Amino acid sequence: GAVVSQHPSWVICKSGTSVKIECRSLDFQATTMFWYRQFPKQSLMLMATSNEGSKATYEQGVEKDKFLINHASLTLSTLTVTSAHPEDSSFYICSAPPGGRLIEAFFGQGTRLTVV
Amino acid sequence: AQSVTQPDIHITVSEGASLELRCNYSYGATPYLFWYVQSPGQGLQLLLKYFSGDTLVQGIKGFEAEFKRSQSSFNLRKPSVHWSDAAEYFCAVGAQGGNTPLVFGKGTRLSVIA
Repeated sequence: GAVVSQHPSWVICKSGTSVKIECRSLDFQATTMFWYRQFPKQSLMLMATSNEGSKATYEQGVEKDKFLINHASLTLSTLTVTSAHPEDSSFYICSAPPGGRLIEAFFGQGTRLTVV
Repeated sequence: AQSVTQPDIHITVSEGASLELRCNYSYGATPYLFWYVQSPGQGLQLLLKYFSGDTLVQGIKGFEAEFKRSQSSFNLRKPSVHWSDAAEYFCAVGAQGGNTPLVFGKGTRLSVIA
């Protein structure tokens, strides 16, 4: 089946620094990737939709200048948390529908971000 | 707009007992429905999915779910729970046509006691 690889699986960073999370589709092309955030003991909430070759679209309440998304190729989307603060500590997970069709949603392994 | 309701935040069952986790969805057309399981600190694992056809779908680890259009439900069941089933379970709905994200319920935490 299709595989989405997310890296790193966990990261600890200092307040004020930036962290980049990568999401790769390993055996299919993904024109669209979705980025979710999950706070402890809560559900997954969509943050933004990453579109290859165009700007990402952000959900209401998500700061686009803080969460930079780049989808430079059909197999790679990145999420950069800029000027991280402790409240950004969360579990971030990406998802891609193969070929842009929701036959099935494939998820990355997730990234546990801790900002100290 | 799509929405998913999982009425039970936390369920505790005895090992070997049967399990049913409830899921109700709101969607204007025929949805794609999914159940995922998440262990602490881990990513999501797909248990099963419904797209069309037979309304009773079989998944991994002995789970099954039944799509009932009249009740807008997609409840997850397992006849005999194992201690390793303790985890968080998420129901999700997606739209046909692609390029739309899944909408998740708030999840149900399953605890299994001896």
